[in-house]
Amino acid sequence: GQSLEQPSEVTAVEGAIVQINCTYQTSGFYGLSWYQQHDGGAPTFLSYNALDGLEETGRFSSFLSRSDSYGYLLLQELQMKDSASYFCAVIRGSQGNLIFGKGTKLSVKP
Amino acid sequence: GAVVSQHPSRVICKSGTSVKIECRSLDFQATTMFWYRQFPKQSLMLMATSNEGSKATYEQGVEKDKFLINHASLTLSTLTVTSAHPEDSSFYICSANDRGRRATEAFFGQGTRLTVV
Repeated sequence: GQSLEQPSEVTAVEGAIVQINCTYQTSGFYGLSWYQQHDGGAPTFLSYNALDGLEETGRFSSFLSRSDSYGYLLLQELQMKDSASYFCAVIRGSQGNLIFGKGTKLSVKP
Repeated sequence: GAVVSQHPSRVICKSGTSVKIECRSLDFQATTMFWYRQFPKQSLMLMATSNEGSKATYEQGVEKDKFLINHASLTLSTLTVTSAHPEDSSFYICSANDRGRRATEAFFGQGTRLTVV
């Protein structure tokens, strides 16, 4: 089977740091990606890890441990506009097929 | 760059009719496009992988005769929901990978909200 687990909701204040965890179990694995989706909008790419370790892109960082089937997205210096749903997604095949987690709704409070 | 346009953004149709949704890559060529379905406040579920010039690959449990996919060119894939029923009402989103870039970054269309009445 295929499953990706992540927390359903997270709340934090402006300026804070938040970590969204993701554990996965899939039949194929080429890497772990993270996407942001605002209500009613399209998902937008944030980050990707194929190998173990940390990838940093501005305020966002993503980590992967393949041996633990675990990754996380770290958001720093939170802003109100970061309020959105965040999805981890496993790239299952070489074509880029994405299997999404259920999503984490992040609410950033003043 | 890397813009994916999806049309229409919203559509309401009667039960039993068919609806066609278009997904276009505007400034890049996409040998592979993907179709997802998303229910309110839920995740995106991969429906099928669409390859230019060949038959689509459907995920388990997705009816290929109900959800017809045609990838006629390197910039266009279409999803036709045939004989639509109210339970087909959902948010349908396409994505495409730029053949000139790594397949690890997907570019999504804005989605189509389908309501079947």
